[in-house]
Amino acid sequence: NAGVTQTPKFQVLKTGQSMTLQCAQDMNHEYMSWYRQDPGMGLRLIHYSVGAGITDQGEVPNGYNVSRSTTEDFPLRLLSAAPSQTSVYFCASSYSIDNQPQHFGDGTRLSIL
Amino acid sequence: GQQLNQSPQSMFIQEGEDVSMNCTSSSIFNTWLWYKQEPGEGPVLLIALYKAGELTSNGRLTAQFGITRKDSFLNISASIPSDVGIYFCAGRNFGNEKLTFGTGTRLTIIP
Repeated sequence: NAGVTQTPKFQVLKTGQSMTLQCAQDMNHEYMSWYRQDPGMGLRLIHYSVGAGITDQGEVPNGYNVSRSTTEDFPLRLLSAAPSQTSVYFCASSYSIDNQPQHFGDGTRLSIL
Repeated sequence: GQQLNQSPQSMFIQEGEDVSMNCTSSSIFNTWLWYKQEPGEGPVLLIALYKAGELTSNGRLTAQFGITRKDSFLNISASIPSDVGIYFCAGRNFGNEKLTFGTGTRLTIIP
């Protein structure tokens, strides 16, 4: 039982490059989300999805796109990376929104030069 | 947006001591969650609280949902080296997708 799997674990990009952070879960969870973690700021919600084909913006969505073509996968895309997007990114999933604690992946550490 | 103030920011304690930390909010929540994060890993849920006044234990950990619904507390009894990590509180409301996280309490155990 893998839980929530994120790839890659580390990535360095140049300003303006694009890339996709992958997230997959094998628990048949409907709800998936992406957070970024910055020093002294806790985790902040970027985008979330309540099921396949449905996505919505979180607290800090600018500069990121998401899609949810399957229940298992929820990729996060950076279209044109900026130094301000240097962060640790966490994907999380849960069975539903209401009062279900979320399971987190181990994170992707992203540096934008 | 909502702010969660978590204190203390860091703690240096000796093995065997008890630990207390708290989290306060500018607005109410219906759910309080406590997570622990170790280096290189994602947060792991420790305790979930769903009712004001609720007191819940998980081994040596005890957490309480404040009566005002604007605060929560986490206690760790008889700390051991594996308790080292960053502890985050998070608040949530029914039907709301957003978890609001505190800034974390970093716990260091002195041998």
